[in-house]
Amino acid sequence: KQEVTQIPAALSVPEGENLVLNCSFTDSAIYNLQWFRQDPGKGLTSLLLIQSSQREQTSGRLNASLDKSSGRSTLYIAASQPGDSATYLCATQGGSEKLVFGKGTKLTVNP
Amino acid sequence: DAGVTQSPTHLIKTRGQHVTLRCSPISGHKSVSWYQQVLGQGPQFIFQYYEKEERGRGNFPDRFSARQFPNYSSELNVNALLLGDSALYLCASSRGGSYGYTFGSGTRLTVV
Repeated sequence: KQEVTQIPAALSVPEGENLVLNCSFTDSAIYNLQWFRQDPGKGLTSLLLIQSSQREQTSGRLNASLDKSSGRSTLYIAASQPGDSATYLCATQGGSEKLVFGKGTKLTVNP
Repeated sequence: DAGVTQSPTHLIKTRGQHVTLRCSPISGHKSVSWYQQVLGQGPQFIFQYYEKEERGRGNFPDRFSARQFPNYSSELNVNALLLGDSALYLCASSRGGSYGYTFGSGTRLTVV
């Protein structure tokens, strides 16, 4: 049974700082890993999708890496802004195609 | 193209009642999945449908059921509502395989 863990549960940083969010998973037999952003009370916005054959994906100030062998992924956010404040969720997709989510990291970027 | 649309956005029901939540996937997406998210937790998988057939079911009681229609839209039904069913219900659609998922804005269900 896949288990996904996100550390830290919450993070508070000053504006402009570079930061890394961590995601670990127990079963390396995944199709892909997806990072999402969730604003309070809202749905999920997909940020980056990394296929199992890929090592990283980039979109703007965001960079996500995947190391299947160690069961880890990181989301790097460069030059953080107050608008980046949200909860960030990672999810793995395996053979059953269902997503298994971590509990998320709540990010606060202070002006 | 419109994204994944869910209705209603908010709903208040009484214990014991029944509720139907609706989801329209992105055009061309044949896979629809449902997730339940309670406060402070990550979403939990409820159902997946692909081409109108159930492909997977999560660890939820039989009070939860779903179906997918010929136009690939989907309904999630919950019978005999309990206070613990209060949550954000999320629908996601995909082309299938490893293409990843797009989520809707969710339906906030409150059971009183």
